[in-house]
Amino acid sequence: KAGVTQTPRYLIKTRGQQVTLSCSPISGHRSVSWYQQTPGQGLQFLFEYFSETQRNKGNFPGRFSGRQFSNSRSEMNVSTLELGDSALYLCASSLASGGTRGYTFGSGTRLTVV
Amino acid sequence: DQQVKQNSPSLSVQEGRISILNCDYTNSMFDYFLWYKKYPAEGPTFLISISSIKDKNEDGRFTVFLNKSAKHLSLHIVPSQPGDSAVYFCAVRHTGTASKLTFGTGTRLQVTL
Repeated sequence: KAGVTQTPRYLIKTRGQQVTLSCSPISGHRSVSWYQQTPGQGLQFLFEYFSETQRNKGNFPGRFSGRQFSNSRSEMNVSTLELGDSALYLCASSLASGGTRGYTFGSGTRLTVV
Repeated sequence: DQQVKQNSPSLSVQEGRISILNCDYTNSMFDYFLWYKKYPAEGPTFLISISSIKDKNEDGRFTVFLNKSAKHLSLHIVPSQPGDSAVYFCAVRHTGTASKLTFGTGTRLQVTL
């Protein structure tokens, strides 16, 4: 069974640009969450989508947005990139929202803003 | 405010000995507590979890202890193996917002020969 797939693996962007990251969840999983990992802050929750609806949102500015398609694939968009947006962006999927075993994570997209 | 803290950024343990990783939290409204392991260039992998109504859960070499009065969570790995060398994150799930996990900043465990 294929795991959570994130593309691209690495990305370099310039300040002010925008970026779109993609996540394909495990087949049958309907919940997709996004996290940002930075050395100082650890993993921070961005948002969660379930059946194409945003169910929960973390404390990030409006420049961070996402969406989920009918096949459960999800995209995350960051507009007007800042240097501080450089991070590892992790996507995680689950059958349902929440769950006592948490989520299955992808390997992440490493975004570098220069 | 940091609701979940892992105060030890790193830990070194000899192979065969016990590894104890600690996590403190501030909010009594968390209902599930989880541990994840992360290798470089990979996403975190679920290890073990415990419900707030329990104080211990075991899975093979891994045991998680929950002390609700002290708001303290610990992960014991016995015996430690070199393959256990990774970054360990504790995570908590808030009652009512099950989809959101709040993570600690991680502890890097190094198991030496």
